[in-house]
Amino acid sequence: DVKVTQSSRYLVKRTGEKVFLECVQDMDHENMFWYRQDPGLGLRLIYFSYDVKMKEKGDIPEGYSVSREKKERFSLILESASTNQTSMYLCASKWRERSYEQYFGPGTRLTVT
Amino acid sequence: KNQVEQSPQSLIILEGKNCTLQCNYTVSPFSNLRWYKQDTGRGPVSLTIMTFSENTKSNGRYTATLDADTKQSSLHITASQLSDSASYICVVSASNTDKLIFGTGTRLQVFP
Repeated sequence: DVKVTQSSRYLVKRTGEKVFLECVQDMDHENMFWYRQDPGLGLRLIYFSYDVKMKEKGDIPEGYSVSREKKERFSLILESASTNQTSMYLCASKWRERSYEQYFGPGTRLTVT
Repeated sequence: KNQVEQSPQSLIILEGKNCTLQCNYTVSPFSNLRWYKQDTGRGPVSLTIMTFSENTKSNGRYTATLDADTKQSSLHITASQLSDSASYICVVSASNTDKLIFGTGTRLQVFP
């Protein structure tokens, strides 16, 4: 069974703090993704990575950065958290071939106060 | 512009009843369409995947249909159970990108 885990289920941070969200997958997937999910907007892609040390901007990268130092691990970084980054963050991974399914982690609900 | 629209936004049904969720898309070039189920506070889990040549796919009490000509898909749930209460998300993949196009989901609530 594919397993995608995220470091925290719930997180509360203050405005201006640096926030790290970590995602780990155990299926040797090449591709990894970070999304945020907000009511009425669906899932929106923040960043994705095709391989170690590689990253591509998604649709809403502003205010975020990512790091992929190892194949199994993909981190999302909020350099200076703001209240409008309060959201559900979902990580996903898949094999490189486009037709393969994306497997999602359980999500991290981040609240920035 | 690639888009996926779902209807209804929310639906309430009684346990044991059937229901159908709709998905319309304008994605080109089309690769495949997936229905995901997302329980509250959890990540989405794939229910079915359909490619251009498939028009029906079942997974237990879930049956998805695809009409590639009209660019419409439906997800039919038979004999609903309380555990079917969740959001159902239609996701379309284009063949020229790794990015997925997500619908905003239908929130289904099943009451006893």
